Amino acid sequence: GAGVSQSPSNKVTEKGKDVELRCDPISGHTALYWYRQSLGQGLEFLIYFQGNSAPDKSGLPSDRFSAERTGGSVSTLTIQRTQQEDSAVYLCASSLRAVYNEQFFGPGTRLTVL
Amino acid sequence: AQTVTQSQPEMSVQEAETVTLSCTYDTSESDYYLFWYKQPPSRQMILVIRQEAYKQQNATENRFSVNFQKAAKSFSLKISDSQLGDAAMYFCAYNSGGSNYKLTFGKGTLLTVNP
Repeated sequence: GAGVSQSPSNKVTEKGKDVELRCDPISGHTALYWYRQSLGQGLEFLIYFQGNSAPDKSGLPSDRFSAERTGGSVSTLTIQRTQQEDSAVYLCASSLRAVYNEQFFGPGTRLTVL
Repeated sequence: AQTVTQSQPEMSVQEAETVTLSCTYDTSESDYYLFWYKQPPSRQMILVIRQEAYKQQNATENRFSVNFQKAAKSFSLKISDSQLGDAAMYFCAYNSGGSNYKLTFGKGTLLTVNP
């Protein structure tokens, strides 16, 4: 079946602009995760959604970052007033059940902030 | 906090040879999960193999196997009969299971396969 998809594949923006990154998880997967991959920090957890439960936002680096998941499926990660240090690859993953923890990743969105 | 360390930023191997990638981790948990993910230039993270800490037997998936040493907190990946398609960044990852769903990753090892 279809895997996790993310759009756009690449995004170039100017400092101070807002950006939205989209993730379509595998159908039927109730858990959805966002990670950030940057040269200096490696792979970092950002946020986690599980069903209708309140998301775990403990990994979000600042209040400029937010995410929502509509209808238990598609998720959008929003970065407001982008900064150059936000430049990274943003990876989305989904899993069938959180406790099983085998996460399937999308191809990521490469964000470049000029 | 759990940490995952991959001490080899880069490794290379000749095609058809065997290579071992190292990973150590720090945890106070007794039950947890360990993973090796592969990330080729396409950026798509692909699960290679996983190990449940309560299982003493080392996991194996075709040419990929692990050497899990729980007491030493070591989790190395062995790739046998290396192929050109194995060239990628490899990440070791940890998850403590239960309600803790976050993956903690190592910094990665870039594997080059020479023809």
